[in-house]
Amino acid sequence: QQQVKQSPQSLIVQKGGIPIINCAYENTAFDYFPWYQQFPGKGPALLIAIRPDVSEKKEGRFTISFNKSAKQFSLHIMDSQPGDSATYFCAASTGYTGANSKLTFGKGITLSVRP
Amino acid sequence: DADVTQTPRNRITKTGKRIMLECSQTKGHDRMYWYRQDPGLGLRLIYYSFDVKDINKGEISDGYSVSRQAQAKFSLSLESAIPNQTALYFCATSAGWEQFFGPGTRLTVL
Repeated sequence: QQQVKQSPQSLIVQKGGIPIINCAYENTAFDYFPWYQQFPGKGPALLIAIRPDVSEKKEGRFTISFNKSAKQFSLHIMDSQPGDSATYFCAASTGYTGANSKLTFGKGITLSVRP
Repeated sequence: DADVTQTPRNRITKTGKRIMLECSQTKGHDRMYWYRQDPGLGLRLIYYSFDVKDINKGEISDGYSVSRQAQAKFSLSLESAIPNQTALYFCATSAGWEQFFGPGTRLTVL
């Protein structure tokens, strides 16, 4: 049973476009929702994260929107650039404080931003 | 210097061989994790350790074992490698909610 589902599986946009990556989860005990970004040949790195007590969080060109009732969250990339081309993983965890925290990852999506 | 290092970075081995992947970190974190990444399957947790004396199985631990030699070192072993263990393996560390990943080991089992 996959607890965190990402869509679409791949995405191609033109420079300046606004790609949107969606994630749905099943476990209502999840209380921390990060997005990780992975460039080819590198390990994933934390991009942005949100807790369910807020509906939106912005960091630079990246925004997470969170819908608790629908059990969904999404990543929006404003004014996308070719350098944003990477694999993006959504994840979810219980235990925001970090104690006994484990991340459950989605399958990942490959984003290509065309010049 | 990298905070989380993995050795080797690439390895080709044969079916039935025992192989060890090593992870070292200089971040001073207590928690360490091993994941495998397969195309279309994302990152799946193999084993994790919250301190030197604590080892826990993840969702796909069959065929793997681990050793936490020190706070800074966490090794993953494949006792008898098989072709479907061909994957990209990542070590990660954390002190709280953010996990820090190493550069990965690409393992091919022929």
